[in-house]
Amino acid sequence: SQQGEEDPQALSIQEGENATMNCSYKTSINNLQWYRQNSGRGLVHLILIRSNEREKHSGRLRVTLDTSKKSSSLLITASRAADTASYFCATPRGRYGGSQGNLIFGKGTKLSVKP
Amino acid sequence: EAGVAQSPRYKIIEKRQSVAFWCNPISGHATLYWYQQILGQGPKLLIQFQNNGVVDDSQLPKDRFSAERLKGVDSTLKIQPAKLEDSAVYLCASSFRVQSSYEQYFGPGTRLTVT
Repeated sequence: SQQGEEDPQALSIQEGENATMNCSYKTSINNLQWYRQNSGRGLVHLILIRSNEREKHSGRLRVTLDTSKKSSSLLITASRAADTASYFCATPRGRYGGSQGNLIFGKGTKLSVKP
Repeated sequence: EAGVAQSPRYKIIEKRQSVAFWCNPISGHATLYWYQQILGQGPKLLIQFQNNGVVDDSQLPKDRFSAERLKGVDSTLKIQPAKLEDSAVYLCASSFRVQSSYEQYFGPGTRLTVT
């Protein structure tokens, strides 16, 4: 089954710097999602990128998708202390799309932004 | 709009005891998910409902876990009897449609500690 694996496992940066997290997966997908989880809370959806898209922006977030390499990256620009959280990529279970809507989450990247 | 509600937020039980978690999804969301998140890992799907029917329970340990969504709205997840390895955060999520391209909205979770 496909699974997203984030890299690095942990990242520590200063406020104002950019943070880049990567996700690799195993099989073909039709979309990939990124979620954020603040300490002790539920996950929040950040962005979805479809397989026919190469790049997508949302505020300070930029997501890229390279289906040939089966990888995605999440870039947070001008980071803030409030961005401190764990970030997960999620891919559909089941080949070519996951019509049932199930997602497989990676282990996440723990981002720490120091003021 | 109100988010996904879960209760209780925290629960401590002894092994071999029973426990139940409750979830109320966002109004109008037909699809409901229960996830288990062990410390340091991403959420793992336990069961998925579409209205009051089960779509996927392939990863639910059915010898001890059960879940229901009788009227297609609220849902309960039960563990009986609990084991030490069940210590985790149990997350409920809902989405408007079943397809994986629809974002999932997560509740705050229930942190279960089994001693």
